[in-house]
Order: sequence, then structure tokens, then C-alpha cells
Amino acid sequence: QKEVEQNSGPLSVPEGAIASLNCTYSDRVSQSFFWYRQYSGKSPELIMSIYSNGDKEDGRFTAQLNKASQYVSLLIRDSQPSDSATYLCAVKRGSSNTGKLIFGQGTTLQVKP
Amino acid sequence: KAGVTQTPRYLIKTRGQQVTLSCSPISGHRSVSWYQQTPGQGLQFLFEYFSETQRNKGNFPGRFSGRQFSNSRSEMNVSTLELGDSALYLCASSLEGTVEQFFGPGTRLTVL
Repeated sequence: QKEVEQNSGPLSVPEGAIASLNCTYSDRVSQSFFWYRQYSGKSPELIMSIYSNGDKEDGRFTAQLNKASQYVSLLIRDSQPSDSATYLCAVKRGSSNTGKLIFGQGTTLQVKP
Repeated sequence: KAGVTQTPRYLIKTRGQQVTLSCSPISGHRSVSWYQQTPGQGLQFLFEYFSETQRNKGNFPGRFSGRQFSNSRSEMNVSTLELGDSALYLCASSLEGTVEQFFGPGTRLTVL
């Protein structure tokens, strides 16, 4: 079992719809969770971080965390063609500030005009 | 504020050679982490440096090494290159006391 799992997709949604991206993790001591967006040929860009159970909203993005179910998700409202990219879920164990992030394989999102 | 910078952006080497990649973190960031990204394995953690000390290490062979300088700039070195080392090498920096990491543009290494 991989430590961080994502459906590789592609996930295809029409423009204006809500895109829902999911991620599960195996290590219960994980404390910090991140969503990165990576356009083809570019490096990952941090778009959301979440540390507590519940929802965190930032513009069109909402991250949801459920530690009991070991599940984190990203909702993108009013999806735009410019949102088409690979979305990487990343997890950090423990409460220390040491850097190791564990990444999922990423979900490719396609937003069709 | 300038982002993370990495040099060179592209590199072509042959098997058996060695390579050194450079990373300058965001101003004020003292933690630098390195990752390897390949289509098959995804993003994998190589190592992390903080205050010139390696603080964390991933599961890579000893051919992969790194260091950090007093100005927080970091270098990683790969010796005796293998075809499988072809990858995008990413550097990320973070501010002391925080966990969010910000990536540089990466160095695309091709080993022939």
C-alpha cells in the first residue's frame, strides 16, 4: 500500500463545474497536508495547506480533511480551463518542522470549455 | 520577493559522469529540501538541509549527496550517473518554524 494514494485520472469536468480531487494516506501520525498544482513541464505550486479536521476555503478552492478516515480532498468551484493540470497531494508526518513531504502520484484534471 | 532559483535548468550527461545542481532558496528561508520527480516514481524526497546540516534523508543510494552553505544556498551532487537518474530535480525552501515548502523551477537532467 502506498503511503499517499490518489486516483491518477484523468478527471474530466466541464467548465463551470465543481472538480473534486481525493487523497488517502496510510500513516495516522501525519499532521500536515498540502495540495500542489503542477502544469505540464512546470514545477509544483502550493495552492492549499490544511492541518485541522474540517474545511478550509481560499477563493475557488476548498480543502477538506478527515483524520479519522485518513482522507483529504480538494474541491475546485467554477472550474476553468486554466485549472487543467496535475494536482499533487502531499503529507508530512509528525509535528516537527523537518521537511520530508510524501507525495501521491497526482490526479490529472481536464476542464473542458 | 524572488522565488526559489535553480541552476542549470537543463543538463545532459552521459553514464558514469557526475553532476552538481544548485539551489538558492527564497530570501530568509533556511530550510532546503531536494526531490526527484520521474514519471514512474513520482516525487520522491532526497534530503533536507537546515543551517548547513542534513536534517533528513530519503531512501536514495550514496551516489546522491548534498550540502548547504552559510548563505542557505544548497547543492546536490550525483556521482557515477546511471540512465535511471534521468529526472526533474526539484528544490524547495521553507521558512524556519513553518512546514509549507515552495518549489523552484527544477533542473531537468538527462543521462545518455
